Amino acid sequence: DAGVIQSPRHEVTEMGQEVTLRCKPISGHDYLFWYRQTMMRGLELLIYFNNNVPIDDSGMPEDRFSAKMPNASFSTLKIQPSEPRDSAVYFCASTPPGTGELFFGEGSRLTVL
Amino acid sequence: GQNIDQPTEMTATEGAIVQINCTYQTSGFNGLFWYQQHAGEAPTFLSYNVLDGLEEKGRFSSFLSRSKGYSYLLLKELQMKDSASYLCAVRGSYNTDKLIFGTGTRLQVFP
Repeated sequence: DAGVIQSPRHEVTEMGQEVTLRCKPISGHDYLFWYRQTMMRGLELLIYFNNNVPIDDSGMPEDRFSAKMPNASFSTLKIQPSEPRDSAVYFCASTPPGTGELFFGEGSRLTVL
Repeated sequence: GQNIDQPTEMTATEGAIVQINCTYQTSGFNGLFWYQQHAGEAPTFLSYNVLDGLEEKGRFSSFLSRSKGYSYLLLKELQMKDSASYLCAVRGSYNTDKLIFGTGTRLQVFP
């Protein structure tokens, strides 16, 4: 299996622009998680899905952030409008049924100028 | 609320043993995980404890005491490649796979 696939790997954008991050989980995994990592705050859970349904989005910072999972093989995290404080590495992770072990993608490093 | 504490940084010498502690306070408990993260890379799974006691896996062992809200990761025969961040994560409820991470312990191994 190819593992969790994220794109883009790096993105540099200007404040106010829309950013869309993409994730393809491992086939057969039923949970998908979006995390954000910064030096100051570590890994923060933003939102997670079970069988494509959002379960807990309490970690989403504000209305500028939204996430969707239209099918079992694809999810997006959108930031609109982006701000410099959104600069971070955004990780997508998935878990197979019953284990809870997270398999992480390589991450998307976002820089908002 | 949920709180997971780890030391920020540790240093050790190649060949030595190091213990990285993690204390947690969560609403409910359904397992504790340790992940390793090298700089610029994604976290990778190291160990999982749900019952009290020690789980050994090669050079790495992980211990859990649920009554104390305490875990440690023990690394033996340290190698330079063990220089990384070590993340403690807790699953806080029986009906969720939600994992909450500590801020991680950055370990530097010197020759």
